[in-house]
Amino acid sequence: DAGVIQSPRHEVTEMGQEVTLRCKPISGHDYLFWYRQTMMRGLELLIYFNNNVPIDDSGMPEDRFSAKMPNASFSTLKIQPSEPRDSAVYFCASSYVGPNQPQHFGDGTRLSIL
Amino acid sequence: AQSVTQLGSHVSVSEGALVLLRCNYSSSVPPYLFWYVQYPNQGLQLLLKYTSAATLVKGINGFEAEFKKSETSFHLTKPSAHMSDAAEYFCAVRATSGTYKYIFGTGTRLKVLA
Repeated sequence: DAGVIQSPRHEVTEMGQEVTLRCKPISGHDYLFWYRQTMMRGLELLIYFNNNVPIDDSGMPEDRFSAKMPNASFSTLKIQPSEPRDSAVYFCASSYVGPNQPQHFGDGTRLSIL
Repeated sequence: AQSVTQLGSHVSVSEGALVLLRCNYSSSVPPYLFWYVQYPNQGLQLLLKYTSAATLVKGINGFEAEFKKSETSFHLTKPSAHMSDAAEYFCAVRATSGTYKYIFGTGTRLKVLA
C-alpha cells in the first residue's frame, strides 16, 4: 500500500519567497495533520483536517502560514513570505477516525530558507 | 487534558543490553497510547499501540511496552539492543474526545554503544 507522500523532499529558497509543500494522504484516511520539527522546539502540530475541513489551526505560527485541503487526496501548506526561522522539517501524517487509530507519517520536507 | 511525559531526552545502552524508555501519561479516561520511532531523515513509524485488549503489547523489531494503570506508565522495552535501534523514540496519546489530535512526548534519543 502506498504511504503518505510528501513533495518536495528538500527545498532551499531565499527569504521572502513563497514556499508550497504538498501532501497526499493514505487513501481512505479521514484525518490529515501537518507538523513541524526542529531541534529547538521538537515536533509541533500546526494544523489538522477532518474530512477536508480544518479543525484546529491554533498551531500555525502566524498569518504567513496557510494550509488547504481541496479534496481527500491532496493538501498543501504554504508559507508566504518565507523567513529563515521557518527552516525545519515539515511532516504530513494521516489517520482513520477513531482514538485507537495510529498516524502514518510521510518522510517529510526539509525546508531551508536562506 | 491528556499529556505524556518522556523521562530522559537521551539514553545510552551497550549493544546486547536491555533497552528501557520511559513514558508516563496523564489521562482521566482510558488512554490510547502509541510508541513511534524516527530514524535519521525519515518520518515517524509506528512501533506499537495500546488498545486495552492486553496490557503487554508487542511491536515491531522486538520492542514491547507494558501498560500499567496504577503507575500511569507505558514504558518501552527491548531485551537486547542492536546497533540498528539507534533512533529517536516518541510516546504519544490520542485525545479521546472532541479533537482526536495526538499529543506527543518530547522524544528520547537512543544511542547504542558497540
